[in-house]
Amino acid sequence: AQKITQTQPGMFVQEKEAVTLDCTYDTSDPSYGLFWYKQPSSGEMIFLIYQGSYDQQNATEGRYSLNFQKARKSANLVISASQLGDSAMYFCAMREGYAGGTSYGKLTFGQGTILTVHP
Amino acid sequence: GAGVSQSPSNKVTEKGKDVELRCDPISGHTALYWYRQSLGQGLEFLIYFQGNSAPDKSGLPSDRFSAERTGGSVSTLTIQRTQQEDSAVYLCASSLIGTGATEAFFGQGTRLTVV
Repeated sequence: AQKITQTQPGMFVQEKEAVTLDCTYDTSDPSYGLFWYKQPSSGEMIFLIYQGSYDQQNATEGRYSLNFQKARKSANLVISASQLGDSAMYFCAMREGYAGGTSYGKLTFGQGTILTVHP
Repeated sequence: GAGVSQSPSNKVTEKGKDVELRCDPISGHTALYWYRQSLGQGLEFLIYFQGNSAPDKSGLPSDRFSAERTGGSVSTLTIQRTQQEDSAVYLCASSLIGTGATEAFFGQGTRLTVV
């Protein structure tokens, strides 16, 4: 079973508008972390935002916010006021945190969503 | 070093040859990850180290793939008898500890082409 599912292979957004990139995850561990990374065409992986499973508030970092719905096991990334430089591949990832499990610390990525920002 | 360093940045090899890919993580980072990324695709997990041990090596595609980490630092991913389907970008990442809000920092990757 997929641990991380990103159902949108590609998304388009107009410059200055907001966009939501979907991510659902699957784990039975009570302790885990969720990450979003951006990969521009240059290939580098850029960390954007983190949400812990016990965090009460949704994470925010500048124009990025994470819509964390624990019961639904979703961790959608919201980018506000899109910019042309936001065009890139976006990856959702999960780190499992159960110390007794063999996957302790393992970081698993989804298949990614290609975001294109139109002027 | 300042970041995760991978070498070589590019490698072209003939089918059937062995290759070694090196990852030098950020000093003090205990967790180290190897991923493989084909063109336009997601990151395929290969192996994860915590210190020198690998709690999870479930992503290694076949017994031609192996990895080791020594001194809790440098890691080497070895691919024996390379095949054309091994062509991809191999990414290494490290993080301070294996859990919590510590993000993984990535190297620039090694682009492997098997001809």
